[in-house]
Amino acid sequence: AQTVTQSQPEMSVQEAETVTLSCTYDTSENNYYLFWYKQPPSRQMILVIRQEAYKQQNATENRFSVNFQKAAKSFSLKISDSQLGDTAMYFCAFMKHSAGTASKLTFGTGTRLQVTL
Amino acid sequence: NAGVMQNPRHLVRRRGQEARLRCSPMKGHSHVYWYRQLPEEGLKFMVYLQKENIIDESGMPKERFSAEFPKEGPSILRIQQVVRGDSAAYFCASSQTGGNTEAFFGQGTRLTVV
Repeated sequence: AQTVTQSQPEMSVQEAETVTLSCTYDTSENNYYLFWYKQPPSRQMILVIRQEAYKQQNATENRFSVNFQKAAKSFSLKISDSQLGDTAMYFCAFMKHSAGTASKLTFGTGTRLQVTL
Repeated sequence: NAGVMQNPRHLVRRRGQEARLRCSPMKGHSHVYWYRQLPEEGLKFMVYLQKENIIDESGMPKERFSAEFPKEGPSILRIQQVVRGDSAAYFCASSQTGGNTEAFFGQGTRLTVV
């Protein structure tokens, strides 16, 4: 079974600054995917960024980037130039590779990020 | 192209009643996943269905909970004889065969048991 751990229940960052959210996971799988999801107060789950485990290059999406350390089973999210709209819960998630389609996600407990003026 | 549609958004049930939560996947998606989010917690996997088949129900409580995804119509998560501990947000996600592994989420149904 897979586990995902987010050790920071809450974080705060000032607007325009950079913040890093931590995530570690445990698995015996070799092929898998890692995700960061954002959940604003509306409750909608929004995919922020995705990383394939077989890719060494860290994924980036505009202001969002990850630091993927496969050997250490670490997958942190860096948000640059933070904006007020980034205020949300952030969940790290693991998905085992399944040929042809998605499979179930295992989520961490989340980090509540507050962006302040 | 409408996203994953869940209804109702909010549902209030008295203890002992039945709750039915509906999920219409995105057009062309034949895989549906249900997750439960208790207050201040992450989402927990409940069940994975394809049309007319339950693929993985390892996260479903053994009693009172059932799910289906018929050939026609939405997927239904059914909770019988609800108890206060069933109060949570229930999310549905869908994906397509041969897709790029992304599962798209609905906005969830918040169930409150009074």
